[in-house]
Amino acid sequence: GQNIDQPTEMTATEGAIVQINCTYQTSGFNGLFWYQQHAGEAPTFLSYNVLDGLEEKGRFSSFLSRSKGYSYLLLKELQMKDSASYLCAALDSNYQLIWGAGTKLIIKP
Amino acid sequence: GAVVSQHPSWVICKSGTSVKIECRSLDFQATTMFWYRQFPKQSLMLMATSNEGSKATYEQGVEKDKFLINHASLTLSTLTVTSAHPEDSSFYICSALEEAGGPNEQYFGPGTRLTVT
Repeated sequence: GQNIDQPTEMTATEGAIVQINCTYQTSGFNGLFWYQQHAGEAPTFLSYNVLDGLEEKGRFSSFLSRSKGYSYLLLKELQMKDSASYLCAALDSNYQLIWGAGTKLIIKP
Repeated sequence: GAVVSQHPSWVICKSGTSVKIECRSLDFQATTMFWYRQFPKQSLMLMATSNEGSKATYEQGVEKDKFLINHASLTLSTLTVTSAHPEDSSFYICSALEEAGGPNEQYFGPGTRLTVT
């Protein structure tokens, strides 16, 4: 079956760095997405990786290893507004998004 | 960037009534739109894929007669929850795939929170 695993909750300190991991098993693979979702709001797009390696976008970076079925989202210089859920989603061979349950990130001052 | 709107943003209805939720792509054409449902502290669950001019494709376990989807134009898809019950209370989110875009050109609406009393 298809499956996405990511930690349920993580806590980090303002100004620090946090890495949110995601492993996936899908029927075929056409890329991996990271979304940010604040409570009560729809997800907003953060990144898309389809090739191995690290993609950096400001304070956020996303990494993909296709051979390991693994991705991570790296958040630097954490700000209180980064407190949110972070959703990992893989695009399968039918171009359907398979969603993880999300990682709730709590930022402490 | 591309914008997707949903209306209403929240709605309260009585059990047994029907509710229609609209999803519009404001500045691009969307051949394909997706409808998701999200319960508290859970992930997004794909309900159906809506293609303009054809019948929607429903995911396993989603009742097509209860959740009516119409995608009549390239900028509008509607989801009607018929004979709503309290267990249908949830956060409904649509997303739209930009016609000329690649896999990453999927844009989410702001969501509609439905409460059935």
